[in-house]
Amino acid sequence: DQQVKQNSPSLSVQEGRISILNCDYTNSMFDYFLWYKKYPAEGPTFLISISSIKDKNEDGRFTVFLNKSAKHLSLHIVPSQPGDSAVYFCAAVVSNDYKLSFGAGTTVTVRA
Amino acid sequence: DTGVSQDPRHKITKRGQNVTFRCDPISEHNRLYWYRQTLGQGPEFLTYFQNEAQLEKSRLLSDRFSAERPKGSFSTLEIQRTEQGDSAMYLCASGRRETNEKLFFGSGTQLSVL
Repeated sequence: DQQVKQNSPSLSVQEGRISILNCDYTNSMFDYFLWYKKYPAEGPTFLISISSIKDKNEDGRFTVFLNKSAKHLSLHIVPSQPGDSAVYFCAAVVSNDYKLSFGAGTTVTVRA
Repeated sequence: DTGVSQDPRHKITKRGQNVTFRCDPISEHNRLYWYRQTLGQGPEFLTYFQNEAQLEKSRLLSDRFSAERPKGSFSTLEIQRTEQGDSAMYLCASGRRETNEKLFFGSGTQLSVL
């Protein structure tokens, strides 16, 4: 049962433009959400997170938005850079639990 | 900062053979996880240790899979009588109880079962 869904397997964006990655979840118990970034032949690395008590969290070029009523979150990357080309995973967890549930990932390609 | 290290990076084996993978977590992390990732999918939870205690095993983990974490330090994941369906990237991650959600992943072991 896929509790975290990333419905766009890929995204191509021009350098300097905004990248918007989307993620939907079904488990209303999730109260903490994370984005991980993965380069080929490497493990996922933590990028940014948001608690369910917030609707926005910003860290440099990366902003995550959370819409709890819609069970939807998004990651905005502005401006997109070639080094941002990677696979991005959305993950969610119930805070007192310890298991992250991951989406299938979105491959971002930033064109020069 | 040594990060999470996994060994080997790649493993090719014949169906029916046993394989063992090793994970060395970040030293001050008391939580250790094994995840499995197949092509086009996100990491799937396999099992979790807090210190040396294995607290949960996923239903994905058949009886052919066993994991240990002696003395709460490094961990091993063994797969007995490998099958072609076991081919995947096996990821180890560690974390601290205080920052439960933020896991640090190793580079993984890519298993190919021929």
